[in-house]
Amino acid sequence: SAVISQKPSRDICQRGTSLTIQCQVDSQVTMMFWYRQQPGQSLTLIATANQGSEATYESGFVIDKFPISRPNLTFSTLTVSNMSPEDSSIYLCSVVQGSSYEQYFGPGTRLTVT
Amino acid sequence: QKEVEQDPGPLSVPEGAIVSLNCTYSNSAFQYFMWYRQYSRKGPELLMYTYSSGNKEDGRFTAQVDKSSKYISLFIRDSQPSDSATYLCAMKVQKLVFGQGTRLTINP
Repeated sequence: SAVISQKPSRDICQRGTSLTIQCQVDSQVTMMFWYRQQPGQSLTLIATANQGSEATYESGFVIDKFPISRPNLTFSTLTVSNMSPEDSSIYLCSVVQGSSYEQYFGPGTRLTVT
Repeated sequence: QKEVEQDPGPLSVPEGAIVSLNCTYSNSAFQYFMWYRQYSRKGPELLMYTYSSGNKEDGRFTAQVDKSSKYISLFIRDSQPSDSATYLCAMKVQKLVFGQGTRLTINP
């Protein structure tokens, strides 16, 4: 399976600022996703990061708040913009390789907004 | 009604016990079924996956899918304290849909 790394692993940010989270995979993948996991909750899909084009967002998530880039087949970024305490969550990068249906997750970025 | 229902627990059992974790789902279009294990402050780890009804075994773990009843299970035999984690069922047609996760504690 692909090895997925995320930076930063955790951060504490002030209200109104923005944070960009990086996801790096050690091999090319066909699909990349960004998820949010709020404290004590399950995972919610934010968007699918599309290589070379705009991300596809799920209901309740918008590009202005969560801009996503995917410049190539191994790297993606998620920005959390104009943060509020409600954005405090774990943000997870996830990938699918080839035509497989198996989906793997990175270690997550733990964000606290004060 | 949620697409995937999973009892959040918590579930606490003694070491060596057989653990049964279950999920039900409503969308008959789901084709692929997975179980993830998530340790505290870590990302989910893919534990088992299957796309057909029946059983799939991997060491102490058995995944069971019953598509006619829309019901999946994960069995853990000879449970160990290191199995203490949150277990999430997930299923997909194109996008992965997760259950709430069951917090499991194995007591030595």
